[in-house]
Amino acid sequence: EVQLVESGGGLVQPGGSLRLSCAASGFTFSNYWMSWVRQAPGKGLEWVANIKPDESDKFYVDSVKGRFTISRDNAKNSLYLQMNSLRAEDTALYYCARVDYRNRWYQSYWGQGILVTVSS
Amino acid sequence: DLQMTQSPSSLSASVGDRIAITCRASQNINSCLNWYQHMPGKAPKVLIYAASTLQSGIPSRFNGSGSGTDFILTIRNLQPEDFATYYCQQTCNLPWTFGQGTKVEMK
Repeated sequence: EVQLVESGGGLVQPGGSLRLSCAASGFTFSNYWMSWVRQAPGKGLEWVANIKPDESDKFYVDSVKGRFTISRDNAKNSLYLQMNSLRAEDTALYYCARVDYRNRWYQSYWGQGILVTVSS
Repeated sequence: DLQMTQSPSSLSASVGDRIAITCRASQNINSCLNWYQHMPGKAPKVLIYAASTLQSGIPSRFNGSGSGTDFILTIRNLQPEDFATYYCQQTCNLPWTFGQGTKVEMK
């Protein structure tokens, strides 16, 4: 059974940093692209970042470029999101998701999410 | 960025109803369109990918259609567990973008 479990969220002051982790199990992690997606309170889903299996390609939404870094450790079956220079508008539930490709890209499995609150 | 517009934003329906949610892309995305179901406190779940392919394990009462800029998610014989928020998503162009969501509520 595919499982994705996020951790590392919490309350942080504006300008601060936080590192999210996602522990993957039930599939060969090193074969898959992975994503981070977030949902701000009362808002819809927003794609944040993607990372290739070998880390050779990483893509970000413009609003986090230069502040967030997606990474992975295939030996530990883990995905990460380093978030720096956090802003109030980064407050959201953050989900990690596995990315599949069958003619088209889609996010096939998602974690339950972890809450990040940026506030003084 | 490619904009995805869903309608309606919300709808009220009863168990057994047939409902349809539309999603319009701001430019041609061929069939790079996915549909997700999201319930509060739960992980989002993919229902349909590539516009019309049913994800494994998803009941056949869910159907996706469309191509280009206009897409439809149809749910027939609505079940109690279907009351949720539904999102379309395009994965043709980066950044991947979602529609604003359609909340399906019990009448």
